[in-house]
Amino acid sequence: DSGVTQTPKHLITATGQRVTLRCSPRSGDLSVYWYQQSLDQGLQFLIQYYNGEERAKGNILERFSAQQFPDLHSELNLSSLELGDSALYFCASSVGPGTNEQFFGPGTRLTVL
Amino acid sequence: GEDVEQSLFLSVREGDSSVINCTYTDSSSTYLYWYKQEPGAGLQLLTYIFSNMDMKQDQRLTVLLNKKDKHLSLRIADTQTGDSAIYFCAERRERGSQGNLIFGKGTKLSVKP
Repeated sequence: DSGVTQTPKHLITATGQRVTLRCSPRSGDLSVYWYQQSLDQGLQFLIQYYNGEERAKGNILERFSAQQFPDLHSELNLSSLELGDSALYFCASSVGPGTNEQFFGPGTRLTVL
Repeated sequence: GEDVEQSLFLSVREGDSSVINCTYTDSSSTYLYWYKQEPGAGLQLLTYIFSNMDMKQDQRLTVLLNKKDKHLSLRIADTQTGDSAIYFCAERRERGSQGNLIFGKGTKLSVKP
């Protein structure tokens, strides 16, 4: 158990809908990262937050957004969902923004029908 | 190339050594990582190596780094059935004070009794 929690574990929804994925980092970690894992693209970095502020952006679509709240939990919002958004979404956390160790949560499996 | 490359599959017998290879892309990457993903689970950080090291050993795991060839390997001694999983190689690419992890597509290790 990494100490990073993600909810829900599974999510099934329809195209065009909007969903919110939630992540709680390990106690003491200030930085949160979001990744998408799909069969064709592999594991891709989406976005990073540190202490409430966006720190780095990767291959995140404009339909996706995220935020980190004062209690350090983070939410990833996915809107206008398409079939191709079906994937495993992982959250990871680390102590600081440039810390070399990232600890991953168990993931949220999103299925778009 | 731009991608971190790994072979997709490796099959070994229980008790043998496993060697999983990876070629990364950026010679200035500071840290190289090995993560393990068991079925239905998140990514577990196994080990990492700083780019100025050639080798790191941690119990049954040995990481070798050839910086000139941008080649990283993970050797698992006395492989057990519990080692069956997907192993991801990742490099940390620096962007100013930030470092983003770029993952390979993973090597599925099957251990036969």
